[in-house]
Amino acid sequence: EDQVTQSPEALRLQEGESSSLNCSYTVSGLRGLFWYRQDPGKGPEFLFTLYSAGEEKEKERLKATLTKKESFLHITAPKPEDSATYLCAVQEGAGGGNKLTFGTGTQLKVEL
Amino acid sequence: DVKVTQSSRYLVKRTGEKVFLECVQDMDHENMFWYRQDPGLGLRLIYFSYDVKMKEKGDIPEGYSVSREKKERFSLILESASTNQTSMYLCASRTTGGTWYGYTFGSGTRLTVV
Repeated sequence: EDQVTQSPEALRLQEGESSSLNCSYTVSGLRGLFWYRQDPGKGPEFLFTLYSAGEEKEKERLKATLTKKESFLHITAPKPEDSATYLCAVQEGAGGGNKLTFGTGTQLKVEL
Repeated sequence: DVKVTQSSRYLVKRTGEKVFLECVQDMDHENMFWYRQDPGLGLRLIYFSYDVKMKEKGDIPEGYSVSREKKERFSLILESASTNQTSMYLCASRTTGGTWYGYTFGSGTRLTVV
């Protein structure tokens, strides 16, 4: 059974204080790893897809990396508007269909 | 941009009522999904559909059913609502082919069963 574990559960940063969120996974043949951002009371919003170990994607202050066992979402010089819950999800390879298995998320708060 | 629209943002229903949650997508996506989201448990898959009139059980289908009569619409049905079905319900869709952008989610329906 696919498992996705995110840490920490919650993270409080000062504006400008860089940090990383972790997503560790166990899956039979990774087809893709996904990062989403979710604001309170809203649906998750797609950020990145990573397909293979060593791959990196960047968007503004966010950078996602992937190894064979985990992914990191690096946040550089965060701003208050980066405050949200960040979700990680994996899609299994053959036989997994189009389903994603989600972690429980990291709730990030960036303070002035 | 693809849009996934959920018909209600907030619903309050009584125990035992039959509840319909509606989801419509406008980009001709083949696959549609219903998740519920609860604190500490994350998103859990209830049902999904990869084509019209097709449905597959997810991880927690008990107490739910679905209907997909048209490609753009995927309905979640709570046959007899119970208080443990109080939750945020999220609908999502994705295409089968092309670049894998993952899901596009709706804004969610927060259902309270009293």
